[in-house]
Amino acid sequence: TQLLEQSPQFLSIQEGENLTVYCNSSSVFSSLQWYRQEPGEGPVLLVTVVTGGEVKKLKRLTFQFGDARKDSSLHITAAQPGDTGLYLCAVRTQSGTYKYIFGTGTRLKVLA
Amino acid sequence: GAVVSQHPSWVICKSGTSVKIECRSLDFQATTMFWYRQFPKQSLMLMATSNEGSKATYEQGVEKDKFLINHASLTLSTLTVTSAHPEDSSFYICSARAFGGSYNEQFFGPGTRLTVL
Repeated sequence: TQLLEQSPQFLSIQEGENLTVYCNSSSVFSSLQWYRQEPGEGPVLLVTVVTGGEVKKLKRLTFQFGDARKDSSLHITAAQPGDTGLYLCAVRTQSGTYKYIFGTGTRLKVLA
Repeated sequence: GAVVSQHPSWVICKSGTSVKIECRSLDFQATTMFWYRQFPKQSLMLMATSNEGSKATYEQGVEKDKFLINHASLTLSTLTVTSAHPEDSSFYICSARAFGGSYNEQFFGPGTRLTVL
């Protein structure tokens, strides 16, 4: 059973369209992160959300942490080809070595 | 700051050989480093957690005798894929958490693409 399920798995849209990516779990987390990864590179951190209901904005990207801290969403407004990539949510386990678990990933392609 | 490097960036080897991948924190000390494997079009799967000076903790299903991890210093961890086979071909990524840093923060290397013929 995957701890973090992302949807959709794949998304191909035209430049200028809006989209939302979801990250869902049945577990509660103290924080959640979103990353973007381009082919052949390591993931790059976009944001960390820590408070239930928290909303953070990064230019055209809006991130929200669910009230119960079990899920999160990433909304992109007016997508651009430069937004193309693999979007990953990740959480840190609550105990032990505090390792990080990644979601199943959403592959986004924005067409010009 | 907070740069993590990996070497090599790509490697091609014959089946049965061993390959060593290095992960270095260039401008900070990393008490903990993580090793991930990523197959094409898939997410990152945590393989093991490496703490400086102690044995690595492997995730379920990861063979510790096949994927040897050594974290001998606060700036270097190595992953050795022993007796590599074509099914070990993958993108291997490390990340590092800074000594005294936030538990929410890990810095990723650029990855190493391993192809086993």
